[in-house]
Amino acid sequence: DGGITQSPKYLFRKEGQNVTLSCEQNLNHDAMYWYRQDPGQGLRLIYYSQIVNDFQKGDIAEGYSVSREKKESFPLTVTSAQKNPTAFYLCASSISGSSGNTIYFGEGSWLTVV
Amino acid sequence: QKEVEQNSGPLSVPEGAIASLNCTYSDRVSQSFFWYRQYSGKSPELIMSIYSNGDKEDGRFTAQLNKASQYVSLLIRDSQPSDSATYLCAVNILTGGGNKLTFGTGTQLKVEL
Repeated sequence: DGGITQSPKYLFRKEGQNVTLSCEQNLNHDAMYWYRQDPGQGLRLIYYSQIVNDFQKGDIAEGYSVSREKKESFPLTVTSAQKNPTAFYLCASSISGSSGNTIYFGEGSWLTVV
Repeated sequence: QKEVEQNSGPLSVPEGAIASLNCTYSDRVSQSFFWYRQYSGKSPELIMSIYSNGDKEDGRFTAQLNKASQYVSLLIRDSQPSDSATYLCAVNILTGGGNKLTFGTGTQLKVEL
């Protein structure tokens, strides 16, 4: 089946640890995105990438890092510099190159600091 | 001013009524607009996209766009309890770094029996 796969679905992080959230898509989409959602809040853009080996900071990139070595993969690392990482993380993808492209989401990953 | 603004709700409507959800945006160069539905604990799913001024209908859903007023809305006719969810408005802007989709905080809709 075509889609966006995020893993793990649930992740617990200790204070001071880095953790990496995986995102893989087999839709052949050029663009990929990471959003963060806090309870009762909208989605905030962390990073986005339009092509392989290139990515841009979103609105809340501090404390996060990404890589885009392959078209189908866009992992997000939550570093120890992110002081309040507990949230719902959503990966998304879209066909790039036009203003009307639609973004589709993975099922999300819940990160909790313990 | 937030880039995309929505009333947080909750908006309560009786079953069978029309639900009207509203969204305003600040960037005049915004090019495309989306409505997503999100059930609690789940990821957003696309309901409607709209790119031109006017109305766009898809089943029980109608999206309305007014670029001059920087306003986009979603109407849900014959509301059902299964429509109870949070509705997110999203606005796409083409930047130097590519397409950037910005979301509002969402409006919670409750359809009551």
